[in-house]
Amino acid sequence: GAGVSQSPRYKVTKRGQDVALRCDPISGHVSLYWYRQALGQGPEFLTYFNYEAQQDKSGLPNDRFSAERPEGSISTLTIQRTEQRDSAMYRCASSSGRSSYEQYFGPGTRLTVT
Amino acid sequence: QKEVEQDPGPLSVPEGAIVSLNCTYSNSAFQYFMWYRQYSRKGPELLMYTYSSGNKEDGRFTAQVDKSSKYISLFIRDSQPSDSATYLCAMSADSSASKIIFGSGTRLSIRP
Repeated sequence: GAGVSQSPRYKVTKRGQDVALRCDPISGHVSLYWYRQALGQGPEFLTYFNYEAQQDKSGLPNDRFSAERPEGSISTLTIQRTEQRDSAMYRCASSSGRSSYEQYFGPGTRLTVT
Repeated sequence: QKEVEQDPGPLSVPEGAIVSLNCTYSNSAFQYFMWYRQYSRKGPELLMYTYSSGNKEDGRFTAQVDKSSKYISLFIRDSQPSDSATYLCAMSADSSASKIIFGSGTRLSIRP
């Protein structure tokens, strides 16, 4: 079946603009995670959802970052008033919920803020 | 100090060699330990998972956890060129293993 998909795959935006990154998890997966991955680094936890409930948002860097999953399926990560330091690969992952350690990652969205 | 420390490499070994990859950590609450493999321009994929201390073997791969030393290892036997990738250790403290902390990854290259 289809894996985790993310869109757009690449996003270039000007500093100060808002961006919305979309994640479509594997069908039926209960849990959804957002990570940020800098070049040469491992994924950095941002937030996660069980169904539509945001369980942990301790990794969101500041209040410009927010995420939602209103119907327990597709999720959107929004960054307001983007800054150059926000440039990174943003990855989404999902899991069935029975074994949260087994997360299936999407291809990521490469965000560049100019 | 980072919660999880991992030597970034790169590590280059000849085909057939035994590879040892390691991570240290500082948070004694970690109880779930994972190794993910990430090929270039792809997302990470789970390779192995271990709960608490001990060894786990899966084919050519063996994961070891020593909680007393806060040290985990991944051994790859009979390494193949297809094993060339970045290997990320990962850990979680919560019982659902939902919040995972990743190491920075070790780049491994297997020379034919």
